[in-house]
Amino acid sequence: ELKVEQNPLFLSMQEGKNYTIYCNYSTTSDRLYWYRQDPGKSLESLFVLLSNGAVKQEGRLMASLDTKARLSTLHITAAVHDLSATYFCAVVSTGGGNKLTFGTGTQLKVEL
Amino acid sequence: NAGVMQNPRHLVRRRGQEARLRCSPMKGHSHVYWYRQLPEEGLKFMVYLQKENIIDESGMPKERFSAEFPKEGPSILRIQQVVRGDSAAYFCASSPRTDGYTFGSGTRLTVV
Repeated sequence: ELKVEQNPLFLSMQEGKNYTIYCNYSTTSDRLYWYRQDPGKSLESLFVLLSNGAVKQEGRLMASLDTKARLSTLHITAAVHDLSATYFCAVVSTGGGNKLTFGTGTQLKVEL
Repeated sequence: NAGVMQNPRHLVRRRGQEARLRCSPMKGHSHVYWYRQLPEEGLKFMVYLQKENIIDESGMPKERFSAEFPKEGPSILRIQQVVRGDSAAYFCASSPRTDGYTFGSGTRLTVV
């Protein structure tokens, strides 16, 4: 059974600082997604990573994928308050159909 | 393009009543997925449907829960004889093929 773990679960950081969220998964994966969720809202797609070594960047966020280590990272550069949200990684496992298996989420709070 | 439409946005049911949650996928999307999110947790897969077919229901509770995606009309997630533990946010996602998921705004079910 595919398991997806994120750490940290909670992250409080100051504006302007850098930090990384980690996503580990237990079986081979076809693709990995990162989502953002604001309180009481739906999920906003940030990135989809398809192959080993894939790196994608959008603004202050950069995601990467290491399929050999079964690890994805979401790096935050020079955080701003507007990035405060919960971030989820989600994995589609190889041979597991099309369902997404979500990580536990990382609640990010960027202090002004 | 109206996106994935879910209704109602909020639903309150007394214990023992039935809850019916609707999901209209994006135009051109024939794959529908239902996920449940308990407070402070990640999303858990429930069921994956295509038109008139259940493809994967491995995440559905064995009793009281059912889902359909008829030839015409929205997908329906039905919960019979609701209990307090069913209180959660239920999200629907759709995709055109096997990737590119778009999430709806969710239905927040409260059982009193």
